[in-house]
Amino acid sequence: GEDVEQSLFLSVREGDSSVINCTYTDSSSTYLYWYKQEPGAGLQLLTYIFSNMDMKQDQRLTVLLNKKDKHLSLRIADTQTGDSAIYFCAETGNTGFQKLVFGTGTRLLVSP
Amino acid sequence: DAGVIQSPRHEVTEMGQEVTLRCKPISGHNSLFWYRQTMMRGLELLIYFNNNVPIDDSGMPEDRFSAKMPNASFSTLKIQPSEPRDSAVYFCASSKSEGVGTQYFGPGTRLLVL
Repeated sequence: GEDVEQSLFLSVREGDSSVINCTYTDSSSTYLYWYKQEPGAGLQLLTYIFSNMDMKQDQRLTVLLNKKDKHLSLRIADTQTGDSAIYFCAETGNTGFQKLVFGTGTRLLVSP
Repeated sequence: DAGVIQSPRHEVTEMGQEVTLRCKPISGHNSLFWYRQTMMRGLELLIYFNNNVPIDDSGMPEDRFSAKMPNASFSTLKIQPSEPRDSAVYFCASSKSEGVGTQYFGPGTRLLVL
């Protein structure tokens, strides 16, 4: 079945890099996504990667995809206190292109 | 662009009462999703629609929950009767079924059932 797993918590200092990891089970996923949820708000798309890519960079964000190991990571360079939030990875899975399977979310805490 | 609009933003009700949550998707989006988020269970997909038709309602907890999408710009999620364990944040999201399929989330409705 579909299952997307993430570590629950990550704590870093301001200015350091953060790496949030995700493992997924469905190798047929077409796209993989990273969403950010700030307190009291809905999920906001940060970035996505097509399954035939290994890496995607978008300003301070770098997404790495290892299809062999079904491992996805999000690196945030020069992490700021405003990056403190919950980060969700998601995959399209095999149940249909529209339905996303979300991970449990990783709570990132950035301390000054 | 207004984004996904949900109402009410907060709802406090008593056990046994009917609760109706509302959602207006982004104009031009043809897929709509209802999610529930709790600390214990995380983010759960309840139901989703494509072109106003329910496609997958396997996540709907039980018969007390129902969802409708009478037209492309409006959907409701109804709980009748409500129970304390229904307390959660309910999100609506919409997307285009073509292309990347990015889902855009509303701000959520925080429901508390006493």
